[in-house]
Amino acid sequence: GIQVEQSPPDLILQEGANSTLRCNFSDSVNNLQWFHQNPWGQLINLFYIPSGTKQNGRLSATTVATERYSLLYISSSQTTDSGVYFCAVVDSGYALNFGKGTSLLVTP
Amino acid sequence: DSGVTQTPKHLITATGQRVTLRCSPRSGDLSVYWYQQSLDQGLQFLIQYYNGEERAKGNILERFSAQQFPDLHSELNLSSLELGDSALYFCASSVAMGANYGYTFGSGTRLTVV
Repeated sequence: GIQVEQSPPDLILQEGANSTLRCNFSDSVNNLQWFHQNPWGQLINLFYIPSGTKQNGRLSATTVATERYSLLYISSSQTTDSGVYFCAVVDSGYALNFGKGTSLLVTP
Repeated sequence: DSGVTQTPKHLITATGQRVTLRCSPRSGDLSVYWYQQSLDQGLQFLIQYYNGEERAKGNILERFSAQQFPDLHSELNLSSLELGDSALYFCASSVAMGANYGYTFGSGTRLTVV
C-alpha cells in the first residue's frame, strides 16, 4: 500500500506562532485529506485536497501531487489548535490510509 | 456535530464478551467505513460497506464482523474480546464509493476491555 509519512512527529508552539506540517506519500493519489484530532478524540476533516491549494480561516493546505507531498499551514496558532494532525490518502480500494500524525501543543 | 452518529460513546466490558457498536452515517451518504485507533497501531482501516454491501476489508480480525442495514446504518460486532481490543473505534461515511470524496468521521466509541 501507499506509505504516508508525516513530519515533524511532535511540535510545540507558543500562541501566535505559525507552523508548517508536511505529509509525504509514496505513490500518486486521487484523494488526500487532512484531519485534526482534538484532545477529546474527535476527528475533524480539515481539507479534502488531492491537488492545489485551499484555505479555511487560519488554516491552509497545499498538495503538489506530482512531487507527492502536501503541506498544512497553521497561522497565528491558538491553544485550541492543539491536538494531532493526520494526513490520509486513499489506498487501494476506497479506504483512507493514515499517517502517524503530528502532535501539536500550543502553549499560552 | 459531524452528522455521523456513533453509539455508545463509551463501553467497558470483560474479556471474552461480545459487544455491538452502532453507526448512523451522515444523511445522503451511502458508504460507511470502520476504523480502529489504538496507541500502538494508529488508525487502522477495518471494513467498508457501500449501500448494504461489503466493499473492502482491511485489518479486521475474524472475531470481528460488520454489516450495513437497508436504512444504511451499520453495526460492528466484536466477539471473544481480548485486552488488546481496547481502542477507539471510529465510523466514517462518504457520499459514494470512490476516491473523489471527503470522509466525515463520527465521534467514536471508546472500548475498554478489562
